[in-house]
Amino acid sequence: AQKITQTQPGMFVQEKEAVTLDCTYDTSDPSYGLFWYKQPSSGEMIFLIYQGSYDQQNATEGRYSLNFQKARKSANLVISASQLGDSAMYFCAMREGGRDGTASKLTFGTGTRLQVTL
Amino acid sequence: EPEVTQTPSHQVTQMGQEVILRCVPISNHLYFYWYRQILGQKVEFLVSFYNNEISEKSEIFDDQFSVERPDGSNFTLKIRSTKLEDSAMYFCASRDRNYNEQFFGPGTRLTVL
Repeated sequence: AQKITQTQPGMFVQEKEAVTLDCTYDTSDPSYGLFWYKQPSSGEMIFLIYQGSYDQQNATEGRYSLNFQKARKSANLVISASQLGDSAMYFCAMREGGRDGTASKLTFGTGTRLQVTL
Repeated sequence: EPEVTQTPSHQVTQMGQEVILRCVPISNHLYFYWYRQILGQKVEFLVSFYNNEISEKSEIFDDQFSVERPDGSNFTLKIRSTKLEDSAMYFCASRDRNYNEQFFGPGTRLTVL
């Protein structure tokens, strides 16, 4: 079974609108972390936002927020007020176990390509 | 703002040759990682490194791969005898002990001919 599932290979959104990118995860570890990264066409991986499994509130970072629904094992990324520069590939990733554990690797999903239109 | 750097940005090599990919992690970070991304695919974990030893490695990280921290700043990935299927973007990442985020370098695109 896939540990991280991103079911939307591609999404379109109009400039200034909000968009939700879906991510579901699978783990039996009670301690885990969820991450979103942005990969523009230039190829670099840019960290956007982090949510810990024990965090009581949904994470927010500027125009990015993470809609964390633990019972559903989903961690959707919401981008508000989309901008042309948001056009990129977006990857959801998970770390199982605590951050100081030896298994602090990230497992990535297949990504969603977001295209922001005028 | 501190950042992870990687050299070279692009490496072309012949099958069977050895390559060394270099990374300079953020200076106060203690955890180091290598990932790879085959063109058009997802990012895959290769190896993590902490306290001068490998913490974890994936099935991809076989005997042809090795990592080293030869001095206080560099972190290298060596592929002893490259194969065509090693062609990919290789990302180095580093993390501070007290934070969750892994910061990625810009990547090295490896092309094996």
